[in-house]
Amino acid sequence: SQQGEEDPQALSIQEGENATMNCSYKTSINNLQWYRQNSGRGLVHLILIRSNEREKHSGRLRVTLDTSKKSSSLLITASRAADTASYFCATWGNTGKLIFGQGTTLQVKP
Amino acid sequence: GAGVSQSPSNKVTEKGKDVELRCDPISGHTALYWYRQSLGQGLEFLIYFQGNSAPDKSGLPSDRFSAERTGGSVSTLTIQRTQQEDSAVYLCASSPRDRARHEQFFGPGTRLTVL
Repeated sequence: SQQGEEDPQALSIQEGENATMNCSYKTSINNLQWYRQNSGRGLVHLILIRSNEREKHSGRLRVTLDTSKKSSSLLITASRAADTASYFCATWGNTGKLIFGQGTTLQVKP
Repeated sequence: GAGVSQSPSNKVTEKGKDVELRCDPISGHTALYWYRQSLGQGLEFLIYFQGNSAPDKSGLPSDRFSAERTGGSVSTLTIQRTQQEDSAVYLCASSPRDRARHEQFFGPGTRLTVL
């Protein structure tokens, strides 16, 4: 079964607004990663946060991790139409493989 | 440099036929993963190759699915006697050995449709 659960499943915002996506997981992790997928094809790695980190920034992206709640959030600030995509969290734990969530579909309207 | 490539990009087949999907990882990447993504769903792990070690086949859904990796590079995923529920996008990813836990590099996927 999938490790990660994401919400919302779908999000629609106006360009310039912020988008927040959440991810929850079930078992202990080494790190948590976020990926973006355009048009149902290949995924692109966005950012990684280690289990001993609480917050990380990369450009317009901000990721938080709360290991006590087994949850993470991805914030995209000042969204652009080009940010329209599906976003997936993935956890790396003791299984030696990445376990992906179901994803959040983000639509940014120009 | 060249990224992960997959072929074909689209495959339409009839129920009961066998299909082969190919993945060319980034040169030098020893870790190679296959995933399946059904419509509107997340990625489902299928199989993992790391160098010359025995592959982790724990995600293969049935014995109709098999994969091999020749010479530590190109990988082929074979689905025998395809069923309609096999319709999905099959994604391949690769990583350097010591970076597999940090980032995976994905190919564009093969969209398989079983009629």
